[in-house]
Order: sequence, then C-alpha cells, then structure tokens
Amino acid sequence: QVHLVESGGGVVQPGGSLRLSCAASGFTFSTYAMHWVRQAPAKGLEWLAVISYDGTLDYCADSVKGRFTISRDNSKNTLYLQMNSLRTEDTAVYSCAKPRVGTWDSHGWDFDLWGRGTLVTVSS
Amino acid sequence: DIQLTQSPSFLSASVGDRVTITCRASQDISNSLAWYQRKPGTAPKLLIYPASTLKGGVPSRFSGSGSGAEFTLTISSLQPEDFATYFCQQLHVYVSFGPGTKVEIK
Repeated sequence: QVHLVESGGGVVQPGGSLRLSCAASGFTFSTYAMHWVRQAPAKGLEWLAVISYDGTLDYCADSVKGRFTISRDNSKNTLYLQMNSLRTEDTAVYSCAKPRVGTWDSHGWDFDLWGRGTLVTVSS
Repeated sequence: DIQLTQSPSFLSASVGDRVTITCRASQDISNSLAWYQRKPGTAPKLLIYPASTLKGGVPSRFSGSGSGAEFTLTISSLQPEDFATYFCQQLHVYVSFGPGTKVEIK
C-alpha cells in the first residue's frame, strides 16, 4: 500500500516554529521529487514547496520563502517542512504530495498520492 | 508565481445538467493545466492532464479544453457522484492551484 502520513502539527504562538514530517511507504521515495501543500480554513489549496529526489534542489512559494524550509531524509523515507516565524495566516492543514513523475520538471508534477494532512494552528 | 482564478466559485446544479467551470492563468501556461475533483475527507482525484487529456478511469462525461491562459472543465451530464469541489493546477512553472469551484445539488 502506498501511503503518505504527516505528523508534527499542533498549536503554536505567532513567531514560533514547528517541524512537520511526512513518512512515505509503498513506493521508492528516493526517486521522487516531493511537495508540501496546505489548505487554510475555507480556502483553496496552496502549494508551498518542492524538493528534488536527492535533496539538492528545492524551491518555496513566495508566501513562505525565507520562513519555511523543505528537506528530506531518503534513508528514513521521510520529508520535512521546517516552519519558522509562524503567523496566524499560516493556520492550515499541511499535506505532503507525491507527483506522477519524479524528475525536476514541473510538467510531471500532477499529483497521484496525497497525505491526509496535519493541522497547524497559529494562535496566541 | 503564476496565479490561477476560477469561476464560478460556487454553482448549484441538478442531475443531468451540463456544467462548465473556467480556470484562468495570469500568464500563458501552454497546456500545462490539470483538473482535480475533491470530496470532503478524501484526497483530490486527478481528472484531466494536460488540459484536455482524460485520465484513465475517469468517466467520459468529463472533458477539458483550452490552452494559453484560459481553460474549461465541462461535465456534460451531472451525476450524483459528481457533486464535489473542482480545482485546477498549473504545472508550467513550479505549481499553483486555483481556489476551487464547489458544485452543489440544486
């Protein structure tokens, strides 16, 4: 069974930090670029970041650039999202997603596997 | 970043209706657009990519068209299982999503 399972969400004060994890199973994790997305309450999906299969390339959306960092540990089949300087507007369900194609080519980044997500609440 | 807008954001329709949803990009994205269906509590399901290519197993009542900066998703005859939220995704430069269109029963 192919699965993505996120963890690490919770309640954090504005300005605080959290590290999210995404555990992958059922596919060769180390051959796929991986992504983080989020969905705030009553809002649409927002794409956040991507990292290449080997971790040498990464890119974050402007909305989180400089505050969020994506990383991975292929020995543990795990994707991470380090979130710093959190704001109330970062409150959302955070999910990881696997694209159809593993290469560093956005044209192959339609998603065929999504995690259920972990809730991050930024509130004082 | 490429911005996507969708219209309408909400529509109310009856079983058997023809439904059209539009997705517009802030710049030319060629045909690098995907459409997804999402039901509450479930992962999004890819329907169409690129632009007009139906994914395997997706009913033929779904179709996509467009290129450049304007795209449409059409459901030719709405079925009970089609009531859901539909959103577009551009894959031309990195990734971004449209805000979604919620299709509800009239």
